[in-house]
Amino acid sequence: SQQGEEDPQALSIQEGENATMNCSYKTSINNLQWYRQNSGRGLVHLILIRSNEREKHSGRLRVTLDTSKKSSSLLITASRAADTASYFCATDGETSGSRLTFGEGTQLTVNP
Amino acid sequence: ETGVTQTPRHLVMGMTNKKSLKCEQHLGHNAMYWYKQSAKKPLELMFVYNFKEQTENNSVPSRFSPECPNSSHLFLHLHTLQPEDSALYLCASSHRQSATFGNEQFFGPGTRLTVL
Repeated sequence: SQQGEEDPQALSIQEGENATMNCSYKTSINNLQWYRQNSGRGLVHLILIRSNEREKHSGRLRVTLDTSKKSSSLLITASRAADTASYFCATDGETSGSRLTFGEGTQLTVNP
Repeated sequence: ETGVTQTPRHLVMGMTNKKSLKCEQHLGHNAMYWYKQSAKKPLELMFVYNFKEQTENNSVPSRFSPECPNSSHLFLHLHTLQPEDSALYLCASSHRQSATFGNEQFFGPGTRLTVL
């Protein structure tokens, strides 16, 4: 079965710096999504990239997708303390219907 | 707010209790999900409902019993739970996957469950 695996598991940076998180998966996908979770809360959808797309932007977020390497990256530019959260990638496959498979997440800490 | 609400937000129960978790979505979605999130583990999908019909049961023990009376409401009935069932239980909803919607899921804030 496919599974998103984020890298690194934890990342600590200073405010203003850029944060890059990576995700790898194992099987063919339709879409890959990134979600954010503040401690003890629900997940919030950030961005979706389709399998035929290579890059997507949303505000300070930039997502890339390399289907040949089965990997994606999430870049947060000019980070803020409020960006501190866990970030998860989630994939849905060609035969998985509405099911998403989530990775273990990257814990990002942005220090003021 | 995401348009998905969950109650209660916190629940402490003994192993012999029976309780229910409630989820409600106001987004017009037709798919609803229960997830379990334990410390240091990936989000685990428990159940999926599409148009009120259960389409997936991810080998969940029978002490967890879902109910979906309509497309807007989802319940998780709990009985004779074990301490290892303590976790954050998240409800989510989405349009049924399509080329248009891409199955973006909207999550509720979760119920923090502690089983004593």
